[in-house]
Amino acid sequence: ETGVTQSPTHLIKTRGQQVTLRCSSQSGHNTVSWYQQALGQGPQFIFQYYREEENGRGNFPPRFSGLQFPNYSSELNVNALELDDSALYLCASSQDRGLSGYTFGSGTRLTVV
Amino acid sequence: DQQVKQNSPSLSVQEGRISILNCDYTNSMFDYFLWYKKYPAEGPTFLISISSIKDKNEDGRFTVFLNKSAKHLSLHIVPSQPGDSAVYFCAASPQGGSEKLVFGKGMKLTVNP
Repeated sequence: ETGVTQSPTHLIKTRGQQVTLRCSSQSGHNTVSWYQQALGQGPQFIFQYYREEENGRGNFPPRFSGLQFPNYSSELNVNALELDDSALYLCASSQDRGLSGYTFGSGTRLTVV
Repeated sequence: DQQVKQNSPSLSVQEGRISILNCDYTNSMFDYFLWYKKYPAEGPTFLISISSIKDKNEDGRFTVFLNKSAKHLSLHIVPSQPGDSAVYFCAASPQGGSEKLVFGKGMKLTVNP
């Protein structure tokens, strides 16, 4: 059973650029949630995708968007990057939106300069 | 507005002693609580959870206590081991089947041999 994998592990972007982060869900999971963890903070919920549809969104601006594919992998896209977007981005997968078995990946460290 | 609060940023204990990690919450709609452990360069891993219909849940060396009237929960680790050294996050889920997790800022536990 493979876990949740995220790519890339580290990324440096310039303010104003766009970035795409990727997440492969754990085998058998159909739900993917994305979180942003700023330095010294806990993870903050960005949004969740269930069977390719957005299923809830946190307090993030529209320049944060996502996608889920038929194989349940997911992408997080951030447009017009700002310095405050620098953070660890975590992806978690689960089965049928449930919290049981909610499994996190190791994250993508994004630095915006 | 921090809905889940972990007011102590760090805790240091001796191996074999008890570690007590505290968490307070403000939102009475939370009805499911979880603790996660996070090592550097890894994603959070699930430790133990508790539903609001219970006041205690135990799993091996880990016990979580919930005091709904005080909106307070605690994680007890006994006996503490050096491998328990990590950052611990308290998380809560709102009522209504939402799978969004609201995290505290985390607490760094150090267990000294």
